[in-house]
Amino acid sequence: SQKIEQNSEALNIQEGKTATLTCNYTNYSPAYLQWYRQDPGRGPVFLLLIRENEKEKRKERLKVTFDTTLKQSLFHITASQPADSATYLCSPTGANNLFFGTGTRLTVIP
Amino acid sequence: NAGVTQTPKFQVLKTGQSMTLQCAQDMNHNSMYWYRQDPGMGLRLIYYSASEGTTDKGEVPNGYNVSRLNKREFSLRLESAAPSQTSVYFCASSEGLGELFFGEGSRLTVL
Repeated sequence: SQKIEQNSEALNIQEGKTATLTCNYTNYSPAYLQWYRQDPGRGPVFLLLIRENEKEKRKERLKVTFDTTLKQSLFHITASQPADSATYLCSPTGANNLFFGTGTRLTVIP
Repeated sequence: NAGVTQTPKFQVLKTGQSMTLQCAQDMNHNSMYWYRQDPGMGLRLIYYSASEGTTDKGEVPNGYNVSRLNKREFSLRLESAAPSQTSVYFCASSEGLGELFFGEGSRLTVL
């Protein structure tokens, strides 16, 4: 069965550093991969989508990579700020595959 | 635009009671989804509707029914609630496969 793993439940980093979150998946081949942010008590909010034929995508301080050979995506937040503290969810997605990882809770320490 | 609106936001039920969670979207999206989110389990898909008039089971459909009332509305019904259905329920919509727009969630407790 399909499985999605996000590197750790919680990640603490110092303000200004780069946060790197990992998403690994097994037993399926998604057409693309999405990243979402979720704040406590709120619904997830879409951040970025990267397709299987794209290696890297950037949006402001965010960068996502997608390695279909390793079955892995890396999500980077550069120059992190306390306002980036949230839970980040990955979703390797394809037709009839609408799964999410359990998320990584990121805390940026001032 | 309101986006995706879920009602109610909070609900407490007794075991065996029934209830319906309502969801409406104003973005003219074809696809709508119901997820549940539990600690340590992440978001799990209950049912989805790829277009008006169609519904399909997701990972965890047992104990639930859905209705795609029209293009805007997608409801989730618990016929006989069980404590295992205590969870936060999220409705989402999208235009085909792609970015999902989520509601703010409905927090259900079954005693």
